[in-house]
Amino acid sequence: GNSVTQMEGPVTLSEEAFLTINCTYTATGYPSLFWYVQYPGEGLQLLLKATKADDKGSNKGFEATYRKETTSFHLEKGSVQVSDSAVYFCALSDRGTASKLTFGTGTRLQVTL
Amino acid sequence: EPEVTQTPSHQVTQMGQEVILRCVPISNHLYFYWYRQILGQKVEFLVSFYNNEISEKSEIFDDQFSVERPDGSNFTLKIRSTKLEDSAMYFCASSRLGNTEAFFGQGTRLTVV
Repeated sequence: GNSVTQMEGPVTLSEEAFLTINCTYTATGYPSLFWYVQYPGEGLQLLLKATKADDKGSNKGFEATYRKETTSFHLEKGSVQVSDSAVYFCALSDRGTASKLTFGTGTRLQVTL
Repeated sequence: EPEVTQTPSHQVTQMGQEVILRCVPISNHLYFYWYRQILGQKVEFLVSFYNNEISEKSEIFDDQFSVERPDGSNFTLKIRSTKLEDSAMYFCASSRLGNTEAFFGQGTRLTVV
């Protein structure tokens, strides 16, 4: 079956540091890949997505590239801010849709001044 | 901006009691979902609902669970006789179509004691 593995948190960084959160997946076919973010007290929000190999999703300075050869979708940001502190979830859908998502466990990011 | 609203934010119930978790999806959305996250584990798909019937459910969604759209705005998840292992964060989501972005609520934390 489908599965998503994320690096365990928490990840603690100083403001303006470079961020990488690793995500690898197992799926049949060609899944769509997503990063969701959950800010404190809020719901899951779609951060970015990629629907085919070599696509790069980007939003709010975050990027992730769909790497089929390594079955990965690592999240990166060049310079994090305190406001980026949240829990980040990697997810996939094997329907090419945003429904019936398979999620990772989430990685908590804490950014300090 | 339209959002998915869940109530209550936190519910404590005794083992064996029935609970109903409530969600108000975005008004023009047609597809509705429930997910859950047991503490420290992955966010798991429970059920999807379209056109007043379940379109897909996971193996977690057994006879103890039911969903309903009792009126034009609410979408509920009922657990008939709660068990300790039902303690989790429950997320409701909706999407306009089956292949468009799912918007999530902030979650209801259910604690069974």
